[in-house]
Amino acid sequence: DAKTTQPTSMDCAEGRAANLPCNHSTISGNEYVYWYRQIHSQGPQYIIHGLKNNETNEMASLIITEDRKSSTLILPHATLRDTAVYYCIVRVEVRDMRFGAGTRLTVKP
Amino acid sequence: EAQVTQNPRYLITVTGKKLTVTCSQNMNHEYMSWYRQDPGLGLRQIYYSMNVEVTDKGDVPEGYKVSRKEKRNFPLILESPSPNQTSLYFCASSPRGTWTIETEAFFGQGTRLTVV
Repeated sequence: DAKTTQPTSMDCAEGRAANLPCNHSTISGNEYVYWYRQIHSQGPQYIIHGLKNNETNEMASLIITEDRKSSTLILPHATLRDTAVYYCIVRVEVRDMRFGAGTRLTVKP
Repeated sequence: EAQVTQNPRYLITVTGKKLTVTCSQNMNHEYMSWYRQDPGLGLRQIYYSMNVEVTDKGDVPEGYKVSRKEKRNFPLILESPSPNQTSLYFCASSPRGTWTIETEAFFGQGTRLTVV
């Protein structure tokens, strides 16, 4: 059973914020929310993760709702190089990391 | 530079000819794993290893073998490759596999395997 639901695709204008949603209504109390992205056919790249608090790093921000049933990854100023498939993953241990179909983000000039 | 290195990057082989795809990490990570990626099926885990001499099956282990004789290396072995193993393969590593540690995974650049 899929643990997360993401839109299949999204577009974003270059320089604008990209907001990628993820639903994880069955998340359990000890599961973290992780985001990875895959540019073309390269290896997936870690972006950010969180448990229940909002998180920010040099790449992105992660907003997790209070009930933890959904989250949003925010790329504050999207560039063409951010065009990729973005995966939202919920897991406890890294061996439980399962990738869904993800969201294909296209950043347009 | 911290990295996960896979070799070869591209490989075309014939059915039944044994092959090994190597994976090496220089970060002293305990956890390593293999995924395959196919159109419409996404990334699926083949095998993983929590530490040296500890390996376990993932979701699609049939037709594959692995070994973890030393911490840095985790080779993927196809004893008798078949065309349905044509895929893009990724190796990943992480500091630890246990739940008490928040861990990100580092992925290699992939090996594109074609079995004819």
